[in-house]
Amino acid sequence: NAGVTQTPKFQVLKTGQSMTLQCAQDMNHEYMSWYRQDPGMGLRLIHYSVGAGITDQGEVPNGYNVSRSTTEDFPLRLLSAAPSQTSVYFCASSSGTGYSYEQYFGPGTRLTVT
Amino acid sequence: GQQLNQSPQSMFIQEGEDVSMNCTSSSIFNTWLWYKQDPGEGPVLLIALYKAGELTSNGRLTAQFGITRKDSFLNISASIPSDVGIYFCAGANRDDKIIFGKGTRLHILP
Repeated sequence: NAGVTQTPKFQVLKTGQSMTLQCAQDMNHEYMSWYRQDPGMGLRLIHYSVGAGITDQGEVPNGYNVSRSTTEDFPLRLLSAAPSQTSVYFCASSSGTGYSYEQYFGPGTRLTVT
Repeated sequence: GQQLNQSPQSMFIQEGEDVSMNCTSSSIFNTWLWYKQDPGEGPVLLIALYKAGELTSNGRLTAQFGITRKDSFLNISASIPSDVGIYFCAGANRDDKIIFGKGTRLHILP
C-alpha cells in the first residue's frame, strides 16, 4: 500500500493563478481531510469529507474548493491564489467516523504564492 | 470555535531525561490523539485515547485522557535523539471535526 499520496511536493504560484493539489489514498478510507500548516499555528482544517459525494467546511475554508467523486481521491482547488495561502498543505485519511479518528497523513505539498 | 492549548511551546532537554507535555481545552472531547511530526514529513499517530481516565503506553511514550475530558498528557521516558520533532495533540467529537493544538517542539541537547 502506498498510503496517502500527495502531488506536487513543491509548487510556486503567482497571485491570481489557480491550481489543484492532488490527494489519493489506497486504504479504502471513507474519511479524508485537508489541513494547512503555518509556523506557530499548528494544523488547521480546511475541508473534510466523510465519504464520496459528501464534503464540509473546516476552520479555514475560504479560497479553497473540494469535491469527492471517488473514495480514493480528494483534490483541493485554489481558485485564485493569494500570498496568504503560502503554506504547507497536508491531506489525511481515516477509516471512518465515530471512534475512528486515527488519521494517516500524506507527505505534504509546500506551496509558495508570490 | 474550539481551541486546544498545548504547552510548553518548546522544550530543550538533555538526552536521557523524561519529558512531559499537556493539552487543555475549554471544550469536552470524546477522543484525544497524540501525533509526532519529523522535519519535512507529515504527522504520524503515536497514541489514541478513547475513554476518560484512560492511560495508554506505546514503548517509552505514555498518554492519559483527563478525567474531565478537557485535557490530555503525554510523557516520554528516557529521551533519545530520534525523539526530536513536533508533538501535536488533537481532540475529536462526534461531528467528525478533528482539532489540533499548535504543537510542542522538542529539542535534545547533545
